[in-house]
Amino acid sequence: GAVVSQHPSWVICKSGTSVKIECRSLDFQATTMFWYRQFPKQSLMLMATSNEGSKATYEQGVEKDKFLINHASLTLSTLTVTSAHPEDSSFYICSARDRLAGFYEQYFGPGTRLTVT
Amino acid sequence: TQLLEQSPQFLSIQEGENLTVYCNSSSVFSSLQWYRQEPGEGPVLLVTVVTGGEVKKLKRLTFQFGDARKDSSLHITAAQPGDTGLYLCAGGAERDSWGKLQFGAGTQVVVTP
Repeated sequence: GAVVSQHPSWVICKSGTSVKIECRSLDFQATTMFWYRQFPKQSLMLMATSNEGSKATYEQGVEKDKFLINHASLTLSTLTVTSAHPEDSSFYICSARDRLAGFYEQYFGPGTRLTVT
Repeated sequence: TQLLEQSPQFLSIQEGENLTVYCNSSSVFSSLQWYRQEPGEGPVLLVTVVTGGEVKKLKRLTFQFGDARKDSSLHITAAQPGDTGLYLCAGGAERDSWGKLQFGAGTQVVVTP
């Protein structure tokens, strides 16, 4: 159980275009999902907390207009990187909190590798 | 911001040896998780500890939560090449409304045959 999927697993886009990443909880309902960014050989950096049916909460320094988050259902959250630039290239990982499991237990997706050329 | 410090940053050992990874903070956490991440993949939850002094065992892995709930350790006995990966500790702050986690910087473990 507790499987989280992400799509796509990797994407290459041109500078100035937008990219949407989907995060789905496959076998549980997730009222809260989290979006992280990870640079090579570094730890995870929380970007935002996504709650079903409400606006996302962004961490300090994360541009909400650039990283649009939508949590439309209990099993789906999306992250859209708008007007992407090469510095947005990174590994983006989502996680979901199973509302029936421990409050702090997060289950992670496999990640999406974004390369902006 | 509650900081979690992991040590060491990097550990290279031979198969069969033991290793310990530490996770320390000056703050109290409601719970602490350990994850293992392999290159190009998302972290996989290994264990959650919530009670001060708690010890959990998962085959050759032993996890301990400090009495004051400020620190934790992960001990691997007789390491195998399959234990290679990035080990991350993550703490849940008290009184957090959303279940956010604060991650340590990670410990890269390499086990050679």
